[in-house]
Amino acid sequence: AQTVTQSQPEMSVQEAETVTLSCTYDTSESDYYLFWYKQPPSRQMILVIRQEAYKQQNATENRFSVNFQKAAKSFSLKISDSQLGDAAMYFCAYKTEDAGGTSYGKLTFGQGTILTVHP
Amino acid sequence: GAVVSQHPSRVICKSGTSVKIECRSLDFQATTMFWYRQFPKQSLMLMATSNEGSKATYEQGVEKDKFLINHASLTLSTLTVTSAHPEDSSFYICSASSRLSNQPQHFGDGTRLSIL
Repeated sequence: AQTVTQSQPEMSVQEAETVTLSCTYDTSESDYYLFWYKQPPSRQMILVIRQEAYKQQNATENRFSVNFQKAAKSFSLKISDSQLGDAAMYFCAYKTEDAGGTSYGKLTFGQGTILTVHP
Repeated sequence: GAVVSQHPSRVICKSGTSVKIECRSLDFQATTMFWYRQFPKQSLMLMATSNEGSKATYEQGVEKDKFLINHASLTLSTLTVTSAHPEDSSFYICSASSRLSNQPQHFGDGTRLSIL
């Protein structure tokens, strides 16, 4: 079974600064997907960024980028030019690429990291 | 983009009541729907996976007789909390995915359930 670990329960950053959230995972599969989700106080789950394991290039979405180290099974999220609206709980998640079985699309979540942004 | 509608957003009811939560995919065929439970400042805990037209697969420790899941169509799944008690109070979130596309899960906005 896959596991996802976020070792930082809480992080804080000054507005306009950069912060990195850590995530490691354990799997025996070679093909899979990794995601970062943001959950603001409204508790809506918002997809921030996704990475396909077969792609060597790190995914980027505007101020959000990842450092994907497949061999180390590490998938960190970097938020540049942090904004007050970035304050939220962030979840790292793993999804198998296997399209068969009854658990297609199942996500395995990490414990979450609460990010505080100071003005 | 794809939208998943979850209803109701908030429920407050007395102990012993059964509560039904609906999860609808509005613009795609959701072959699989997932139901999560989340406590404050904690991660999402998967309760069960439902595939359209078949029985739900429950995670270990989740009472299938307490949490009834129905996925009768490609656009609707329901979670019924039967004879709810205060310990069932929580935030419940559904999500949907489709085998027909390689898109990530789409989440509903969640239901805050409070049992008095």
